[in-house]
Parts: sequence; C-alpha cells; structure tokens
Amino acid sequence: DAKTTQPTSMDCAEGRAANLPCNHSTISGNEYVYWYRQIHSQGPQYIIHGLKNNETNEMASLIITEDRKSSTLILPHATLRDTAVYYCIVAGRGANSKLTFGKGITLSVRP
Amino acid sequence: NAGVTQTPKFRILKIGQSMTLQCTQDMNHNYMYWYRQDPGMGLKLIYYSVGAGITDKGEVPNGYNVSRSTTEDFPLRLELAAPSQTSVYFCASRTTRGGGNHEQYFGPGTRLTVT
Repeated sequence: DAKTTQPTSMDCAEGRAANLPCNHSTISGNEYVYWYRQIHSQGPQYIIHGLKNNETNEMASLIITEDRKSSTLILPHATLRDTAVYYCIVAGRGANSKLTFGKGITLSVRP
Repeated sequence: NAGVTQTPKFRILKIGQSMTLQCTQDMNHNYMYWYRQDPGMGLKLIYYSVGAGITDKGEVPNGYNVSRSTTEDFPLRLELAAPSQTSVYFCASRTTRGGGNHEQYFGPGTRLTVT
C-alpha cells in the first residue's frame, strides 16, 4: 500500500473550517484514500474515504486532486470536540488489504 | 447494536504471565483485526481474520496468538508477557459488503501494562 505524508500538527479556531492536507504521491489506481480520527485514548473512528471524486458526508468533505497525489480533509465548522489525531491512509480493496496507520496529524481546535 | 466490545479495559501483568484479551462484535462482520498502539505512535496490526477459522499475521505478530471459532469473537492471547508488550490494544471489525470498503469499527481498547 502507498505511503502517506502529513504535517505533524495544526490548529484552527472554533467555528472555522479545518483543512487537513495529505500527500500520497505513490498511490496506485485501485487504492482509496481513507481518513480516520482518534480522540484522546479512544479507538479510531472512520470519517470518510474516496477514490478520485470528491466526497462529502455528515462529518467532513474529502477533496482529492486530479492526479490523486494529494488530498485534503475539510471539517467545515470545527468544534472543540474535533480536537484529535487525524490519520490519512491509502489502501486497496483486496481481501488481504490492510490499513497502515502512521503518526497522523494532531488537530487542536482553540476556543 | 453494541458494536465492538473489548474486555478487560485495564490490566497489569507480571513478566511471564499469560492472558487473553477478549473482543466481540455484534454487527455480523466477517473481517476482524487486532492492533496495538504504543505512546505517541500510530496503530500497528498484530493479527487479522477474514472469517471464522481463518487468521493471518499482521506487521507485529510475535508474542501473540489468535483464534476465530465464531464470527462474533476474536480473542488475542499473550502467552509469556514481556515489558515490550505494554501497550493499548484495539480490536476492530469491518464488513466486506459494498465492495471492500475499509470502514473499520473499533473497540474502546485494552490498556495493558507488563511489569
């Protein structure tokens, strides 16, 4: 599975949009981009995934560049409860495909 | 649905002791996973199972064993605990309906200390 690169940390103000970047320049054509988050001491929580089209759900939006080498997770109106570690993961669809968690990006939402 | 449940929540073991971490899911998911997470690090895959009776090694399987006799349960066994196994252990499951989506559901974790 392709590797991903994320900044170590970022912060944003409560109520503003949080834009979390991810680079995955070696992604292959059948690999998806997944985002998970982990609020302190809890199990990771799935947020969203996409292949090449932009995706939106009740939690976030995922913007994937046309060449698929990078993506951005957007939390449109960040709240204090969004403070967490966010993991960008690239994975295929096969039966033995697995998620590889890096260190992620720590998002701090300030009041 | 309770989702993925793990027991115990906390445990302290002495070096050389054995224990089983329990994991149960009630979503009829065929895939189940065990991860460990050391402080400040991402999760590392220990073992996984694609269905009852089928298990396979992940990235860090040494010192652990698993079994999958039912769809619901996926226990993780530590035979001879070592300080290097001090970690937080997460169990997860997913369905393969819908074309192989990696939407995994995680349990709350078991915090294990080996001294």
